[in-house]
Amino acid sequence: ETGVTQSPTHLIKTRGQQVTLRCSSQSGHNTVSWYQQALGQGPQFIFQYYREEENGRGNFPPRFSGLQFPNYSSELNVNALELDDSALYLCASSFGTDRDVLTFGAGSRLTVL
Amino acid sequence: AQKITQTQPGMFVQEKEAVTLDCTYDTSDPSYGLFWYKQPSSGEMIFLIYQGSYDQQNATEGRYSLNFQKARKSANLVISASQLGDSAMYFCAMRELRAGGYQKVTFGTGTKLQVIP
Repeated sequence: ETGVTQSPTHLIKTRGQQVTLRCSSQSGHNTVSWYQQALGQGPQFIFQYYREEENGRGNFPPRFSGLQFPNYSSELNVNALELDDSALYLCASSFGTDRDVLTFGAGSRLTVL
Repeated sequence: AQKITQTQPGMFVQEKEAVTLDCTYDTSDPSYGLFWYKQPSSGEMIFLIYQGSYDQQNATEGRYSLNFQKARKSANLVISASQLGDSAMYFCAMRELRAGGYQKVTFGTGTKLQVIP
């Protein structure tokens, strides 16, 4: 089975631009969640998608949005980029069950100049 | 209040020795799950071990064991026989069920472990 893959691995944007990050979930997983990890910090929960619907959101503004597709892959979109958005963005997939383990991708490192 | 607290920003351990990484948590939910993840410099989060709040026995996975003390709300990770490849950031995390059916996972700030030859 394939794991979680994320693209791109690295990207550089300027303030005010928009970015789309992509995630392919592990085979059989129907739940995808996104995390932002600033340098030297633990991952912070952005939101979760289950069967194409957002069913949970952390403390992030509306300019952070997402999609989940019928094949359970997902996108994270960030509009009006700010310098503080520079971080590693991690995607995790799971079955969404009680004892489930999050399987993470290697992340997309975003730098905003 | 912090949901997950890791009080050790950095730890050193001699190769082949055991090391304990501390984690305390705060929740009022009766049902929750606790995880430990390892993050090498490459960035990928690697699952190590899981403990459910109702599990009677402490979880073990190979060289990793979780010292779960429910009354004290602690979930310390013990790594036995440390190896050079264990050098990485280690994150404690807690999963709680939230309204809408989603399971929110909260991570601590991490402990950087360095294994010395």
